Amino acid sequence: GDSVTQMEGPVTLSEEAFLTINCTYTATGYPSLFWYVQYPGEGLQLLLKATKADDKGSNKGFEATYRKETTSFHLEKGSVQVSDSAVYFCALSVAGAQKLVFGQGTRLTINP
Amino acid sequence: DGGITQSPKYLFRKEGQNVTLSCEQNLNHDAMYWYRQDPGQGLRLIYYSQIVNDFQKGDIAEGYSVSREKKESFPLTVTSAQKNPTAFYLCASSDRVGHYGYTFGSGTRLTVV
Repeated sequence: GDSVTQMEGPVTLSEEAFLTINCTYTATGYPSLFWYVQYPGEGLQLLLKATKADDKGSNKGFEATYRKETTSFHLEKGSVQVSDSAVYFCALSVAGAQKLVFGQGTRLTINP
Repeated sequence: DGGITQSPKYLFRKEGQNVTLSCEQNLNHDAMYWYRQDPGQGLRLIYYSQIVNDFQKGDIAEGYSVSREKKESFPLTVTSAQKNPTAFYLCASSDRVGHYGYTFGSGTRLTVV
């Protein structure tokens, strides 16, 4: 079946460090890929998405590239801020599957 | 502005009582979903609905019930049969295909004492 595997957390970095959160997937069809962010006590917000191979999603300094050959969608940011502290979820959607499949989430903490 | 509204944000109930969580959307989305999130864990799908008057069980439907009488509304009832109901509940909606991602509500934290 369809599945998403994320890098295990928690991840702790200093402000202005480079961030990578790994995400790989298995899908029976041709998926769309997403990154969501969840701040404490809140729901999930869509951070970025990519719908076809080699597409790059970007938002708020975060980027992720849809790599079909390696079935990956790693999240990156060049210089993190304390306000980026949150839980990040990678997810996929396959047309006709009727539901989004989430990874287990990665908790990110940025220290000043 | 369009969005999803979950209410209440915090809910306390005594053990053995049924409780209903509200979810309303004005995005004109066909599909709606309920997820459960436990501390430090990912999201688990409880129920989903692709169209009015139709819904399907997700991965952890036991002890829960839903209805979809209107396109805008998808209430979740946590019944007394749910053995461990204390959790954070998230509602989401999407277009029918879901290929452009979900929009989530801000969640309801249910505590059963």
